[in-house]
Amino acid sequence: NAGVTQTPKFRVLKTGQSMTLLCAQDMNHEYMYWYRQDPGMGLRLIHYSVGEGTTAKGEVPDGYNVSRLKKQNFLLGLESAAPSQTSVYFCASMDMGLPKNTEAFFGQGTRLTVV
Amino acid sequence: DAKTTQPPSMDCAEGRAANLPCNHSTISGNEYVYWYRQIHSQGPQYIIHGLKNNETNEMASLIITEDRKSSTLILPHATLRDTAVYYCIVSRGGSQGNLIFGKGTKLSVKP
Repeated sequence: NAGVTQTPKFRVLKTGQSMTLLCAQDMNHEYMYWYRQDPGMGLRLIHYSVGEGTTAKGEVPDGYNVSRLKKQNFLLGLESAAPSQTSVYFCASMDMGLPKNTEAFFGQGTRLTVV
Repeated sequence: DAKTTQPPSMDCAEGRAANLPCNHSTISGNEYVYWYRQIHSQGPQYIIHGLKNNETNEMASLIITEDRKSSTLILPHATLRDTAVYYCIVSRGGSQGNLIFGKGTKLSVKP
């Protein structure tokens, strides 16, 4: 059971380039999230999805787009990378809300540098 | 979702109990208290959560005050591997809320 897998683990981009980060989960979770974490800061929510075909904006959505075409995958896209998007990106998934809300499972992160 | 207040850092001696406080004075009745930790640069790890009763699992205990305005995470016998940033989060969870992280408490367990 792999849990939450992020691809790639590291990437260096030039300003203006585009890329897609892939998050895959094998736990059949409905909810998926993308966060970014800057040095010395907590995680900030970029976008999230409450099921296949749905997406919603989080705290810091500007400059990013997402898609959830398949339940197990949540893609984060940067159309035109900027140095301000240099960060560590974490994906997470969570089962549907139960009477008692359940825990989120996080991937190991993607370290992105934009030069 | 309600906000939380945590001390930026704490120290604890190895083998002793670590008591991490969290203030959430604006919590509403249907919001849960969650604790996560992040070891070095890894993805956050769930520890425990609760609504109003005290909770215990194999990792930790969660003590929530009767008025629910504050809580304490207790690691009963801290080890060096417990050195991490601990996040206290208040959320309705599920489709009615998200996990919004603050800056957390940096716990340093010292030999």
